Amino acid sequence: AQSVTQLGSHVSVSEGALVLLRCNYSSSVPPYLFWYVQYPNQGLQLLLKYTSAATLVKGINGFEAEFKKSETSFHLTKPSAHMSDAAEYFCAVIGNFGNEKLTFGTGTRLTIIP
Amino acid sequence: ETGVTQSPTHLIKTRGQQVTLRCSSQSGHNTVSWYQQALGQGPQFIFQYYREEENGRGNFPPRFSGLQFPNYSSELNVNALELDDSALYLCASSLRHAGGSNEQFFGPGTRLTVL
Repeated sequence: AQSVTQLGSHVSVSEGALVLLRCNYSSSVPPYLFWYVQYPNQGLQLLLKYTSAATLVKGINGFEAEFKKSETSFHLTKPSAHMSDAAEYFCAVIGNFGNEKLTFGTGTRLTIIP
Repeated sequence: ETGVTQSPTHLIKTRGQQVTLRCSSQSGHNTVSWYQQALGQGPQFIFQYYREEENGRGNFPPRFSGLQFPNYSSELNVNALELDDSALYLCASSLRHAGGSNEQFFGPGTRLTVL
């Protein structure tokens, strides 16, 4: 079985500051890891994914995440926050190819302070 | 390329009623997954359909059922609605193939309110 834990249900950062959203995973097999973003009243949009290639993954909108097996982490970062980054962010894991069930974390709401 | 679409966007039902939600897959995709997202929570996997057959199910009772059609579109049916069924229902499509990365593309969701 696989799971993800997102630390911090709410994160606030100032515009232009570093964004760091935390995600730790648990998986009995090498995981595929994902970050999704959800804007109000919308579905989920894929930001980036880790599929056992490079450990540093670059995504859309300037976001990136680093897979650290020793820490079982896949934290999402962005060097400089923009007002448009305000949204809900979900970390998710698939642990077993062929069973494409995404297991999501509880989400982190990101607020950008002007 | 057409993305994933869902209908209706909003729906209000009363307890005990039945509801059908619809999803059209992204062009070229052969797999559809359904998720329930309660308010303030992450999405929870309901079930997945691949080539018209159920291919995995989450911890949901049998009154949640689905179909996938030859054109890979899908329906989610919920019988005997309960208040706790109020949620955003998300459909995601993907292309299942050897060596794939299982990327799922989500639709905008159907907001179901049960009164």
